[in-house]
Amino acid sequence: DQQVKQNSPSLSVQEGRISILNCDYTNSMFDYFLWYKKYPAEGPTFLISISSIKDKNEDGRFTVFLNKSAKHLSLHIVPSQPGDSAVYFCAASEMQNQGGKLIFGQGTELSVKP
Amino acid sequence: GAGVSQTPSNKVTEKGKYVELRCDPISGHTALYWYRQSLGQGPEFLIYFQGTGAADDSGLPNDRFFAVRPEGSVSTLKIQRTERGDSAVYLCASSLMAGNTEAFFGQGTRLTVV
Repeated sequence: DQQVKQNSPSLSVQEGRISILNCDYTNSMFDYFLWYKKYPAEGPTFLISISSIKDKNEDGRFTVFLNKSAKHLSLHIVPSQPGDSAVYFCAASEMQNQGGKLIFGQGTELSVKP
Repeated sequence: GAGVSQTPSNKVTEKGKYVELRCDPISGHTALYWYRQSLGQGPEFLIYFQGTGAADDSGLPNDRFFAVRPEGSVSTLKIQRTERGDSAVYLCASSLMAGNTEAFFGQGTRLTVV
């Protein structure tokens, strides 16, 4: 069973506009959520995270929103830049109970057009 | 180097052969994770170590897969009697300690079984 789902395999956005990437999860025990960005032939790089005790975390152009009742989180990138074009993975963890083991979604490929 | 290093970058092997994949974590990181990423999917957890011991090996698909970390630093993922279905990118990550919020990934080893 897929505990973390990213239902949009791809997203295309115009430069300067907002990119919204979505993620749903099923396990109510998850207490920490992360977004990773991946370029081809490279490993995933950490982007931003949020604890389950919060509903929003912001870092520069990147904001993550968490809706625990809906078991949904989203990553907003504004303004989007061509260099943001990459595959974005949502990941979740029972951080303390499971030692940092991450459960990943399938990824969303973001393309930002100049 | 300062990051997680994985060798080799690419490995092509014949079905039935034995392979070893190596991971050098960031110096001082006590937790080390192995993931496998198949085409079009997110990384899938295999095993993690806290120090020298495997704390959670629940993701290893079968007994052909084994991993060691004898001195609490470098780890080797070993696959016996490789099958074509083992073809994937094998990712290693490390963090300061298990349950620490940020894990740093290596670039991965692309394994192709022909």
